[in-house]
Amino acid sequence: GDSVTQTEGLVTLTKGLPVMLNCTYQTTYSPFLFWYVQHLNEAPKLLLKSSTDNKRTEHQGFYATLHKSSSSFHLQKSSVQLSDSALYFCALASSGSWQLIFGSGTQLTVMP
Amino acid sequence: GGIITQTPKFLIGQEGQKLTLKCQQNFNHDTMYWYRQDSGKGLRLIYYSITENDLQKGDLSEGYDASREKKSSFSLTVTSAQKNEMAVFLCASSIARLGEDTQYFGPGTRLLVL
Repeated sequence: GDSVTQTEGLVTLTKGLPVMLNCTYQTTYSPFLFWYVQHLNEAPKLLLKSSTDNKRTEHQGFYATLHKSSSSFHLQKSSVQLSDSALYFCALASSGSWQLIFGSGTQLTVMP
Repeated sequence: GGIITQTPKFLIGQEGQKLTLKCQQNFNHDTMYWYRQDSGKGLRLIYYSITENDLQKGDLSEGYDASREKKSSFSLTVTSAQKNEMAVFLCASSIARLGEDTQYFGPGTRLLVL
């Protein structure tokens, strides 16, 4: 069945450094990939989404490119801020499916 | 814009108790979802509903019932709370097809079973 893998459970960085959060997926259908961000005690919110192969998608300084050849949708930012500390989920929707499959999440902590 | 409201915000129950969580949305979305969030395990789908009075089981439906009497509301019942259970239950809604539309989440109900 469909699945999403986020390899890092916890990432800690100093403010101003770049970050990449890994996301790989598995599906036999056309994929739609999402990144959701959840700040402490808040609802998850959509950060990015894409279904177009090899096209970079950007929002609020974060960016990701869907690579169907490697089944990846890694989230990147060139310079993290304290306010970026949050839980980040990668999620997959397969064409024709009602369900969204979430990865286990990566907790990003940015230190001063 | 719209909003999703979940009640109660915190729920403390006893082992074996039946507990009901409520969700309301004013987006006028057709599809609503209930997820369970456990630390380190991401979000897992319990139930979803694509229209009023429709119910579809997710991967985690055992031990839960759901009800969608109105388009705007979706309730989840824990049929028998498990001792020491601790989780966050998230409600979400979307217009229709996942590939085209975003899911919008509520703030969650935090459950603790004593």
